[in-house]
Amino acid sequence: QVQIVESGGGVVRPGGSLSLSCVATGFNFGFFGMHWVRQAPGKELEWVTFIRDDGGERKYGGSVKGRFTVSRDNYQNTVYLQMNSLRTEDTAVYYCAKSLARDNYYLYYMDVRGKGTTVTVSS
Amino acid sequence: DIQMTQSPSFVSASVGDRVTITCQASQDIGTSLAWFQQQPGKAPKLLIYAASALQSGVPSRFSASGSGTDFTLTIRSLQPDDFAFYYCQQANSLPLSFGQGTRLEI
Repeated sequence: QVQIVESGGGVVRPGGSLSLSCVATGFNFGFFGMHWVRQAPGKELEWVTFIRDDGGERKYGGSVKGRFTVSRDNYQNTVYLQMNSLRTEDTAVYYCAKSLARDNYYLYYMDVRGKGTTVTVSS
Repeated sequence: DIQMTQSPSFVSASVGDRVTITCQASQDIGTSLAWFQQQPGKAPKLLIYAASALQSGVPSRFSASGSGTDFTLTIRSLQPDDFAFYYCQQANSLPLSFGQGTRLEI
C-alpha cells in the first residue's frame, strides 16, 4: 500500500530557509518521478517541482525557481525540498506526490497520498 | 505557460443530482488532463487522468470527457461525500497548472 509522509514544516521568518522531507513506501520508489505541490490558505493548488526517478531531471515552477531545490535519495525512499529565501507568499501546505506510473506518459499525473506539511513564513 | 480555467467557481446541488464542471485550457493539451477532488483540510485525491480514465477505487458515478482545450467532469447521483472542491490540472507540459477550483456545495 502506497504511503507518503511529509515532514519538516514550521514557522520561519522571511528570507529564512527550511528543508522538507517526504518518505514514500509501498512502491518501487526508485522507478517513479516525484512532485511537490502546495496550497496557500484559501487558494488553489500550485505545482512546485518535479524530479525524475534517477534525479537526472529537475523542474521548477516560476515562483520558486532559483530559491527551491529538489533532491532525492533512492536508498532512503526520500525526496527533499530545500527552500531558501522564503517569502510570505510561500506560506502553504506542501504535499509530496508520486507520478501515477513508471511510464513517461504518466509522469505528470500526480498521485497525492500524504497529509502534507505546513510552512508558515511570517515575521 | 498553460492557463486552466474552470467554471463554475461555485455550484449548489442536492444529494441525487447530476452536476457538470467544465475546464478550459489556454492551448491544445490533447487528452493530458486530470481531475482532483479535495475535501476541506485534506489532501487532493486524483479522480481522473488522461481526460477520461477513472483512477482505481473511484466510484463509477464520476465520469469525464474532452480533448484539445475543453473538458468536463460529470458526477451523477451526488452522494454526501461528493460535496467538496474539484480541480482540473493539465499534464501536457511543465510547468504543470491547475484550475482555480470549483466548490460543490449542498
